Amino acid sequence: GQQLNQSPQSMFIQEGEDVSMNCTSSSIFNTWLWYKQDPGEGPVLLIALYKAGELTSNGRLTAQFGITRKDSFLNISASIPSDVGIYFCAVLLSVHTGTASKLTFGTGTRLQVTL
Amino acid sequence: DAGVTQSPTHLIKTRGQQVTLRCSPISGHKSVSWYQQVLGQGPQFIFQYYEKEERGRGNFPDRFSARQFPNYSSELNVNALLLGDSALYLCASSLSLGGNQPQHFGDGTRLSIL
Repeated sequence: GQQLNQSPQSMFIQEGEDVSMNCTSSSIFNTWLWYKQDPGEGPVLLIALYKAGELTSNGRLTAQFGITRKDSFLNISASIPSDVGIYFCAVLLSVHTGTASKLTFGTGTRLQVTL
Repeated sequence: DAGVTQSPTHLIKTRGQQVTLRCSPISGHKSVSWYQQVLGQGPQFIFQYYEKEERGRGNFPDRFSARQFPNYSSELNVNALLLGDSALYLCASSLSLGGNQPQHFGDGTRLSIL
């Protein structure tokens, strides 16, 4: 099945630092999403990307997927303690000849922020 | 407005038993999807329902089944439980099936099989 590889697998950063994480695929996708999951909770949608090469922001978060449509990055500026969690990239796949769509998730990046 | 709600939050079962998990979508959302998340991994797609019909199915055995009701809520049923079914089961809802309709997740049901 399709696999999305995220890097780094985990990272420790200090409060106030900027963070960058990546997601790569061997296939082309036209819709990329970034979710954050806190312990004991479901994934929360951070940013949805629908146009290759277009930078999209949500507060301190910025994301983009490349013109090859095989990779995406998420940047977090000036990290704060509540940024701690697992970040997943995801792509939308059509199933049943386009009448349904499923999310395929990446392997996740665990972010820990120290004071 | 309420988000996606799932019940129960935690459940403990033994091998061979059957379980039913419930999901209420965000008001106005007509599509519900189910995902299984094993510890340390990303969620894996199980089913998608829209207008009470199954529209997509992931690579899961026939022991897994689901349905959607007229009010768009949904149930996931798993029969003959195995130890490997221990996971967080997530429900997500979206307005429709379109590719530009993001899916919003509930907090899941944590299922433990003894």
